[in-house]
Formats: sequence, structure tokens, C-alpha cells
Amino acid sequence: EAQVTQNPRYLITVTGKKLTVTCSQNMNHEYMSWYRQDPGLGLRQIYYSMNVEVTDKGDVPEGYKVSRKEKRNFPLILESPSPNQTSLYFCASSLDPVTAYGYTFGSGTRLTVV
Amino acid sequence: DAKTTQPTSMDCAEGRAANLPCNHSTISGNEYVYWYRQIHSQGPQYIIHGLKNNETNEMASLIITEDRKSSTLILPHATLRDTAVYYCIVKVVGGSYQLTFGKGTKLSVIP
Repeated sequence: EAQVTQNPRYLITVTGKKLTVTCSQNMNHEYMSWYRQDPGLGLRQIYYSMNVEVTDKGDVPEGYKVSRKEKRNFPLILESPSPNQTSLYFCASSLDPVTAYGYTFGSGTRLTVV
Repeated sequence: DAKTTQPTSMDCAEGRAANLPCNHSTISGNEYVYWYRQIHSQGPQYIIHGLKNNETNEMASLIITEDRKSSTLILPHATLRDTAVYYCIVKVVGGSYQLTFGKGTKLSVIP
């Protein structure tokens, strides 16, 4: 089954403790992206990647890092999480990002930073 | 990419057609209309897209007005599982690589 897999689904952590949220896709998509979703603010893009070793900032990149060493994986790294990064996070991939067709999203990671 | 305007919320009786409007009065000729939906706290799901002709697939129909300034997503027989936030997105082919979501319409299907 074609899918984007995120782990973990739920995570509670403390301020300042580095964490990584993993994202993997099995569709051989070149494009991958991370979003966060907050009440009243909707979905906002954090980072995206056009291909291996190619990443770029989205609308809200502060406090996040990403890497793209393999086509299938696109981990999101929070080096020093803060409570304002408490959010619902989604990873997405697409075969053709120049359109808005056929994006596949993961099931989400609900992160709480205390 | 052109801006879109959608109602904040709508109700629909189960089994009836749900008609979700979207206004995109500043759309340009090379911009497509896309619809996604997000069922509670799940990742958004692609539904349908079109340029100027009406489109239909197994999930929904998309009706675009002749002047392309507005469109309507139609779920022909809404079920409780169609309760979700529906996003209308207008995007030019070959533009930015960012997919931007607005606030969408919260559709509640009522038994």
C-alpha cells in the first residue's frame, strides 16, 4: 500500500530535550514536506525537500531542522524543543509538487512539549 | 496563487448531496482548482481537481463556473464519514513548490 509513515504518533517531551520525528514514504516520490497544524492557524509548512540533499525553508522553519539523505526518508529534528512547538505535525510526499495533485500525507504526530 | 474564500462551516443531512462552495475571483487562466479534505486530526486527503471543465471521480464532482471565479465541490450522497474540513486550493502549474492550505469549510454530516 502506498503510504507515508510517521513515527511516533504521540510524543510528550520536556523542554530542551532533542527529538526526532521520522517520516518514510514508499512511493519513490522526490518531494517531501513537513507541516504543523495549530488551532486557528491551520496547516503551515515547516520545510520541504525537492530531492536527496536538497531542502528549503517553508513558512515556519525556526526551531526545526531536517535532512534528506535518502529519497524515502525525511526526518524532522527539534534540537531544543520549546512549549510553543507543541503541535500536530504532518509529513507529506508528492510525485509532482509543481501541481497540488496527489499529495499523500502521513497520519500525524501529536507532540507535547512541557 | 489566487486567494480562495470558503464558508467557515456547513451542515448536511446524511444521504443528501453536500455542496461546498469556493470563491476564487482572482483566478488566472493557468491556475487549477484543487480540493482536499481532512477528517478529524488525520492527514489531508486529495479529492479532485480541475481547470475549467466539470470533473467527476469516485469521491466527488467539481463544478467550475464558466468565468472560473467560483467552484462547487459536490458529495452526491453524504455519509457520516464525510464529516471533515474541506480545503479549496488554487494553484498554478509550475509555480512555487509549496502547497498552502487556507481555513477550509467544516462540513458536519448530520444523521
